Amino acid sequence: KNEVEQSPQNLTAQEGEFITINCSYSVGISALHWLQQHPGGGIVSLFMLSSGKKKHGRLIATINIQEKHSSLHITASHPRDSAVYICAVGGSQGNLIFGKGTKLSVKP
Amino acid sequence: DVKVTQSSRYLVKRTGEKVFLECVQDMDHENMFWYRQDPGLGLRLIYFSYDVKMKEKGDIPEGYSVSREKKERFSLILESASTNQTSMYLCASRVATGAEQYFGPGTRLTVT
Repeated sequence: KNEVEQSPQNLTAQEGEFITINCSYSVGISALHWLQQHPGGGIVSLFMLSSGKKKHGRLIATINIQEKHSSLHITASHPRDSAVYICAVGGSQGNLIFGKGTKLSVKP
Repeated sequence: DVKVTQSSRYLVKRTGEKVFLECVQDMDHENMFWYRQDPGLGLRLIYFSYDVKMKEKGDIPEGYSVSREKKERFSLILESASTNQTSMYLCASRVATGAEQYFGPGTRLTVT
């Protein structure tokens, strides 16, 4: 079983829709990261959180430590949000353990 | 802004060649990482370095070596490239354990 599971693997949405990507993990963590990767591009860190909720523009990330679960929400989605979203958790040695990513496509 | 740069965006090499991938960060970060990314497998850690001249094996170090002679530069070396090393290679750095990682743009390596 993978230590970090993301769902769904692929997601297609219409512009304006509310989007949720989920991440579950099975290891103890110091922090959880949400990353964004555009086609052909590098990876950008969106959030790092260890409790509660963080918001940046139309993006919201939440984490439930007891349930070992995090969600990334995108409100009023736009085609420029199309990307791969990656969940990663900080392990005991300080290195990141990555999920396999969720490929999001937002259609105009 | 933190900047992590990689020496090439695209690279094509022949089987058996020695390949050097260079990564440079400009924010005096202690820790640096090399990952490879393959479809369906996600990001996997090859090697990391907590400080100058220090290196630690990651999850898939076989066929690779690294060098960190200066704090800002972390090199990944493929001693004898093979076709199964065709992949996207990503470098990252962070100021210290537990901090956010900053990624380079990636090098897409093709070994023929």
